[in-house]
Amino acid sequence: KAGVTQTPRYLIKTRGQQVTLSCSPISGHRSVSWYQQTPGQGLQFLFEYFSETQRNKGNFPGRFSGRQFSNSRSEMNVSTLELGDSALYLCASSSQVLQGETQYFGPGTRLLVL
Amino acid sequence: AQSVTQLGSHVSVSEGALVLLRCNYSSSVPPYLFWYVQYPNQGLQLLLKYTSAATLVKGINGFEAEFKKSETSFHLTKPSAHMSDAAEYFCAVSNSNGNKLVFGAGTILRVKS
Repeated sequence: KAGVTQTPRYLIKTRGQQVTLSCSPISGHRSVSWYQQTPGQGLQFLFEYFSETQRNKGNFPGRFSGRQFSNSRSEMNVSTLELGDSALYLCASSSQVLQGETQYFGPGTRLLVL
Repeated sequence: AQSVTQLGSHVSVSEGALVLLRCNYSSSVPPYLFWYVQYPNQGLQLLLKYTSAATLVKGINGFEAEFKKSETSFHLTKPSAHMSDAAEYFCAVSNSNGNKLVFGAGTILRVKS
């Protein structure tokens, strides 16, 4: 099976712009989670989707949003970019939403905000 | 709330030496615990996970971890380090609310020749 894919891999934006990142889960997986990784804050949970419904949300401002499509592909959007949004954004997929379910991570999208 | 603490942001070992990366968890319910590895410019790869089936968990690449409830620990070990083990390692606990993972701060492992 193909792994989790994320596009684009690298992105450069300027402050105030918005950005959309895409994630395609492993075939058959219905749950997609997003994480932000920065040197200062480490890995932080953004949100989780299952069957097109947001199941869980982390402690991020409303500028961060996401959605999931009927084919389980997911997108996250960040509006009004700030310098602090520069990070590696990781997507993970799993087959179910159950505690202990293994999550498989994609390679990430590295976002640089200038 | 569940949390994990990784002791030591950097660990350096010689090739062939024992690798020990420490992780302590805090959880009000029986936890699910994970170790992931991240190589430069890559995503996270699962090494192993604890789901209460056995306290000693064997993972990929010769790594294993032992769950010790009395010490609230889940330390990662490998008997003999290889140069290819140089990477950053993350311990994580699964939140009781679905799939959310709470990660430790990570430990960068350096392997000296």
